[in-house]
Amino acid sequence: DARVTQTPRHKVTEMGQEVTMRCQPILGHNTVFWYRQTMMQGLELLAYFRNRAPLDDSGMPKDRFSAEMPDATLATLKIQPSEPRDSAVYFCASGWTRDGSSGFQSGANVLTFGAGSRLTVL
Amino acid sequence: KQEVTQIPAALSVPEGENLVLNCSFTDSAIYNLQWFRQDPGKGLTSLLLIQSSQREQTSGRLNASLDKSSGRSTLYIAASQPGDSATYLCAVSPNTGGFKTIFGAGTRLFVKA
Repeated sequence: DARVTQTPRHKVTEMGQEVTMRCQPILGHNTVFWYRQTMMQGLELLAYFRNRAPLDDSGMPKDRFSAEMPDATLATLKIQPSEPRDSAVYFCASGWTRDGSSGFQSGANVLTFGAGSRLTVL
Repeated sequence: KQEVTQIPAALSVPEGENLVLNCSFTDSAIYNLQWFRQDPGKGLTSLLLIQSSQREQTSGRLNASLDKSSGRSTLYIAASQPGDSATYLCAVSPNTGGFKTIFGAGTRLFVKA
């Protein structure tokens, strides 16, 4: 059963510490998304990659968040320094998207989510 | 900017009842719409995906409809069961301009035994 794998599942850290979350997308998926979920804001899109290239990271606080995809099997989301307001569940999702004749189009494949990384910053 | 709204925010029904969850979106230029289920403390599980050219999709007791021109989708759950208790989210993907999949805030469903 193909799945998106996220680590760590839980992380408790102190304010100011660096946090790195990792995601292994489903093999063959070319698009990876990072979402953050809180009770107040719901699911917010932070960043996404297509064919390992970052397409949009406008949802991320640029001064402390960074997202990378060093290879097709690994996406990372780093927070440095972390703050209490970063406490949330961070989800990674992958899917397959294709180019359309009028430009980029969303693909037909279902978006598959990982189980999430629950971050608590004290 | 695409905005997705789900009504109601929460719903409590007795077991066996048929129910409808609503999703509306502001930009009708979508490629597809997905309905997800999220159990407490868990990730999201895709339930149904409707392409923009489709009107509905069915899976078991679930039926999702799409009216793209009016910016609306509904998720119909027949003969609800306590195991259906979860949060249901709809998400839309754009037709052009990128791959941003935008989510609604969800409807929290509780089915009483």
